[in-house]
Parts: sequence; C-alpha cells; structure tokens
Amino acid sequence: ILNVEQSPQSLHVQEGDSTNFTCSFPSSNFYALHWYRWETAKSPEALFVMTLNGDEKKKGRISATLNTKEGYSYLYIKGSQPEDSATYLCAFSGDSWGKLQFGAGTQVVVTP
Amino acid sequence: GAVVSQHPSWVICKSGTSVKIECRSLDFQATTMFWYRQFPKQSLMLMATSNEGSKATYEQGVEKDKFLINHASLTLSTLTVTSAHPEDSSFYICSAPRTGGGPQHFGDGTRLSIL
Repeated sequence: ILNVEQSPQSLHVQEGDSTNFTCSFPSSNFYALHWYRWETAKSPEALFVMTLNGDEKKKGRISATLNTKEGYSYLYIKGSQPEDSATYLCAFSGDSWGKLQFGAGTQVVVTP
Repeated sequence: GAVVSQHPSWVICKSGTSVKIECRSLDFQATTMFWYRQFPKQSLMLMATSNEGSKATYEQGVEKDKFLINHASLTLSTLTVTSAHPEDSSFYICSAPRTGGGPQHFGDGTRLSIL
C-alpha cells in the first residue's frame, strides 16, 4: 500500500450502537499514525497519536488499535451518540514526524 | 480553545488577484508549520512545510512561485496564492506541531473561490 486508505467512506449508525472503521497505511518507514475528528466548520481535533505496534488508546467512548506490521488501524466508537457525528481522518507519518499523509476520511452520521 | 488561528476563513476574489492566508500559533512557538490543500471529495494533501527563518520546502508538483510561503516569526506563517486562477479554488488549511512531538494543531481552514 502506497497511500492511506480509509473504509468505509461513510456510515450511518443508530444512537447507542457501536461501530468501527479502518485505516490502512504503508507498513514501511513508520513514524506514527494519527487519528483526527473533523466536524463541519471546525478545525480537525486530534484524537490519538499512535507509535508502537500493538498500541491501544482510549478517549472516553472512542478507542483505537494499531498494527504497524500489517499496516492498519481500527477506530472504535462505543455506544454512539449524535455528537459523535463527524468525519474521522487518519494520517500516516512516514518520512518524518511532521509530514502527514491523510486518508480521505470516514464520515459518521449518528441518528437518534 | 483554539491553539492555531487561521485567517481569513473565506475568500472570494477575481482571477489574477493575489490572496494571503495567515496561520498563527496562539500559545506556543512553532518553528515548523504545514500547509495542506483539499479539493472536493479528496483527502487533505500536503503542499509545503513552512520553516521559521528559512525557505519553505514544497511537495512534488506544488509550484513554489505560485504559492509563496513566509515564516518570519515563531508564531506566524503566511501562504500567498499569487495571481490566483479558478483552478486554485480549494480549501487551504494549516497545522503546527508543538515541539517534542504529539499531535498537530490545525487552523479552521480557508475556503478560496476564484471567479
């Protein structure tokens, strides 16, 4: 994989349900994998920065896992709420820490 | 609150105009800032790395004479789109990392429309 790919492109979730989605990235020259949450008309908000294979991070009802050997990360949302509606971006740092290569995002819509 | 401020948030101007976008780090010093561009239905694409006190480094395919970057202080980077044309219409957003690693902090972005 040369690019950062996210799937699905969008998903609709019923309030209270849990969901997850994927980010695939190049498995060579790995520095870090970043997850951002981006609401319309706001700036992207950093959720996690993950650096170690097998890393698991959690922030409230949102958690993420990382597999650097196979080049993928999962983001999980437990008990989705309408305020979780946003586009979730992952970004890969390969050449250097600062330069990010973004996926196209997964748009999550949580309906009451 | 916001830690990176970006202005303006929206610009509409005529073809041939030059447009300056500012990116400020509000409560930290940023020796490096990054400029991204996003076309509809596409991902954020890195355009250039802005380096305080030295020349910016541009990604392949980004014209440095078209997109002038100045990083004259530790809290301010500017992107000037020179002689803008309709194909330059896009969403431009900056980011800045705090020193020592960690996540990058983004501005709110600038939507540029060239008529």
